[in-house]
Amino acid sequence: EAGVTQFPSHSVIEKGQTVTLRCDPISGHDNLYWYRRVMGKEIKFLLHFVKESKQDESGMPNNRFLAERTGGTYSTLKVQPAELEDSGVYFCASSHPGTTGANVLTFGAGSRLTVL
Amino acid sequence: QKEVEQDPGPLSVPEGAIVSLNCTYSNSAFQYFMWYRQYSRKGPELLMYTYSSGNKEDGRFTAQVDKSSKYISLFIRDSQPSDSATYLCGAGAGNNRKLIWGLGTSLAVNP
Repeated sequence: EAGVTQFPSHSVIEKGQTVTLRCDPISGHDNLYWYRRVMGKEIKFLLHFVKESKQDESGMPNNRFLAERTGGTYSTLKVQPAELEDSGVYFCASSHPGTTGANVLTFGAGSRLTVL
Repeated sequence: QKEVEQDPGPLSVPEGAIVSLNCTYSNSAFQYFMWYRQYSRKGPELLMYTYSSGNKEDGRFTAQVDKSSKYISLFIRDSQPSDSATYLCGAGAGNNRKLIWGLGTSLAVNP
């Protein structure tokens, strides 16, 4: 079974530019999550998709961040325009439908974003 | 106050040592607790999760939860160099799928 795949693994952009991160979850996993880890801080929840619907986007920092999951398969997270404080590692995770209670997530390796 | 507190270390132990990793939490609503392991440049991978107070054992790993004192522990017996990684504790409640994470503790097991 293929795992959660994220692309790119590392992106270096200048402040004001746009970056799009992509996540391919495990096939059949309806639940897809985005998390972010800023250096020296805890991993923080950004949002949760169930299939193509946003279930919870309470962790999105501001309207410069846009997440989509068209067709309920892969997801993209766009940052436009990027700011210095957006630098960090963006993790995608997925879980099987019907998972109740404990949130057993399978994570991707992360996309490291550096904004200069 | 952070909802989940975890000492980031680093922690360095000799091979074969018993390792104790700990977290505290403040939110009484948390119902399940997890430990993830993260190797460098990789995503976190689930080690263990538990719903209740008490111990849960899986091979060399034991997860312990004390809800009365809001304390979470992970014990690693006969530690190996391959256990060198960052260990993250997490907590959640009900159907809320938003894990609340600790900072992670960096562990080095020296041969």
